[in-house]
Amino acid sequence: AQSVTQLGSHVSVSEGALVLLRCNYSSSVPPYLFWYVQYPNQGLQLLLKYTSAATLVKGINGFEAEFKKSETSFHLTKPSAHMSDAAEYFCAVRPAGTASKLTFGTGTRLQVTL
Amino acid sequence: DTAVSQTPKYLVTQMGNDKSIKCEQNLGHDTMYWYKQDSKKFLKIMFSYNNKELIINETVPNRFSPKSPDKAHLNLHINSLELGDSAVYFCASSKGWLGDEQYFGPGTRLTVT
Repeated sequence: AQSVTQLGSHVSVSEGALVLLRCNYSSSVPPYLFWYVQYPNQGLQLLLKYTSAATLVKGINGFEAEFKKSETSFHLTKPSAHMSDAAEYFCAVRPAGTASKLTFGTGTRLQVTL
Repeated sequence: DTAVSQTPKYLVTQMGNDKSIKCEQNLGHDTMYWYKQDSKKFLKIMFSYNNKELIINETVPNRFSPKSPDKAHLNLHINSLELGDSAVYFCASSKGWLGDEQYFGPGTRLTVT
């Protein structure tokens, strides 16, 4: 079985500051890892994914995440926050190469202030 | 050109009623999913179909019945609606069932009164 823990249900940063959203996973087999973003009243949109290639993954809108097997982490970062980044962010995991379900974390709401 | 579409976007109904939510994807994907997002934003998978075959069926009351008439459509029928069914329901699709990214629809907000 797999699980995801997102530390911090709410994160607030100033515009222009570094964004760091934390995700730790648990998986009995090598995982595929995903970050999704959900803007208010919308569906989820894929930001980036890790599927056992490069450990540093670049996504859309300037976000990136690094897979660290030793720390079982997949934290999401962005060097400089923009007001438009305010949204709910979900980390998700599924075992590689199986028909298993995608398991989501509980989400982190990112607030960006002036 | 919407990739994954759902109808209706909002659904308000009374307890005990039966309702359906429709989902269509024009991405040519083989796999489709239904998720439920509760008031705390927690997302949980309900069902998954691959090539019209049910492959994931989570612990969901049997009042919920998915139907996939073809690869591009996955509908969700709910019988005898209860207050606890109020949530946002998302449809999603992916190219295959081996871990590729999923594309989500805009969601259907169901309110049971």
